[in-house]
Amino acid sequence: NFMLTQPHSVSESPGETVTISCTRSSGDIANNYVQWYRQRPGSSPTTVIYEDTQRPSGVPDRFSGSIDRSSNSASLTISGLKTEDEADYYCQSYADNNWMFGGGTKLTVL
Amino acid sequence: EVQLVESGGGLVQPGGSLRLSCEAAGLTFSNHWMTWIRQAPGKGLEWVSNIKRDGSEKYYGDSVKGRFTISRDNAQNSLYLQMNSLRAEDTAVYYCARLIYNNGYHWDYWGQGTLVTVSS
Repeated sequence: NFMLTQPHSVSESPGETVTISCTRSSGDIANNYVQWYRQRPGSSPTTVIYEDTQRPSGVPDRFSGSIDRSSNSASLTISGLKTEDEADYYCQSYADNNWMFGGGTKLTVL
Repeated sequence: EVQLVESGGGLVQPGGSLRLSCEAAGLTFSNHWMTWIRQAPGKGLEWVSNIKRDGSEKYYGDSVKGRFTISRDNAQNSLYLQMNSLRAEDTAVYYCARLIYNNGYHWDYWGQGTLVTVSS
């Protein structure tokens, strides 16, 4: 099994850009798609990025995803931060019928 | 509109059993893999189990393997999780979610969750 490691928390000001990383412990990050889920307090998670870079309908293009094979990591970038972006963000991937989440990153927009 | 509604959570003693249900509406239930995912209080998300469209394949996370059983009834548009030999560390909100495939898999709809508390 592999692990996905995220920073515990990040903070940034409204209007700025923030990037959340997700590093895979073993196996090539490019071998299996990475998803990003947002969870606001008291709510169920929702998808903001799937298949590394794809945005579901309704997710603004301020949200983008990427992978970097050199660091074996994925990243979620949110530009033009709004207070409504404040939430927990989880990366997720899978391999061999094991489905893993990162530990989650609390985004504070202050 | 797709709706997933979990039920069956509650307080149970260590070593006890509980059966969770997830009723689906607004989708052709039998066309989709389904998943249970849990979240301990104040903690992150943890994948619990997947089940194939017709129930012929089932997969479990290491922490629940041998104790939990996933099943479904496509005629009733329902997903289930039978939880046995419950432990304090199984205390969590349990979500059901639809697993969809495009070029890869991801969960596009989640229920609101049902809380399971394991305590004496």
